[in-house]
Amino acid sequence: DAGITQSPRHKVTETGTPVTLRCHQTENHRYMYWYRQDPGHGLRLIHYSYGVKDTDKGEVSDGYSVSRSKTEDFLLTLESATSSQTSVYFCAISVAGGTLSYEQYFGPGTRLTVT
Amino acid sequence: AQSVTQPDIHITVSEGASLELRCNYSYGATPYLFWYVQSPGQGLQLLLKYFSGDTLVQGIKGFEAEFKRSQSSFNLRKPSVHWSDAAEYFCAVGADNQGGKLIFGQGTELSVKP
Repeated sequence: DAGITQSPRHKVTETGTPVTLRCHQTENHRYMYWYRQDPGHGLRLIHYSYGVKDTDKGEVSDGYSVSRSKTEDFLLTLESATSSQTSVYFCAISVAGGTLSYEQYFGPGTRLTVT
Repeated sequence: AQSVTQPDIHITVSEGASLELRCNYSYGATPYLFWYVQSPGQGLQLLLKYFSGDTLVQGIKGFEAEFKRSQSSFNLRKPSVHWSDAAEYFCAVGADNQGGKLIFGQGTELSVKP
């Protein structure tokens, strides 16, 4: 158990409203990631963070922003939700081994529905 | 660019039968390779990983995978499938210069017949 929680676990929102998803970890891991999971696409990286206030875009970052003001929290914001952002969102952390090993451990997910 | 292909979207096997799930990757250097499993409504759980060394790696739940550089493959195997193995399986690839990022395949859904 990598001590990752996500909140909320389920959310229904309307098109055009802002939405913020939270990922919280308890073990001070440096790297954190946000993915979305859609049928037929596997997991696709939205944004990731390599430290407090250090973030970068993934392959599907349009329409999303992130913030990391504390090591333990990584927030994903949909500025103006659209139906195409209906998805399951997963947070992950990366565990560094003897050399940076890139193993990722995942939270339980947030199911977001935009109506 | 890195990519991962899982050719089989859905596989059905009988309980007790052997299993092989295919994964092909595209990357110039030696990649880091992973298999994850996802049960319905759950997050992803790491089954096994390959970084270097022995090309046959053992994982949890009786799974193993073999890295074949010549075929750019990292297939997942299990000699005898149990009903509880029904889930979705994802192959992923990472590399040294990618900031810890992983590229995932599309997933293979495994069904197990009694």
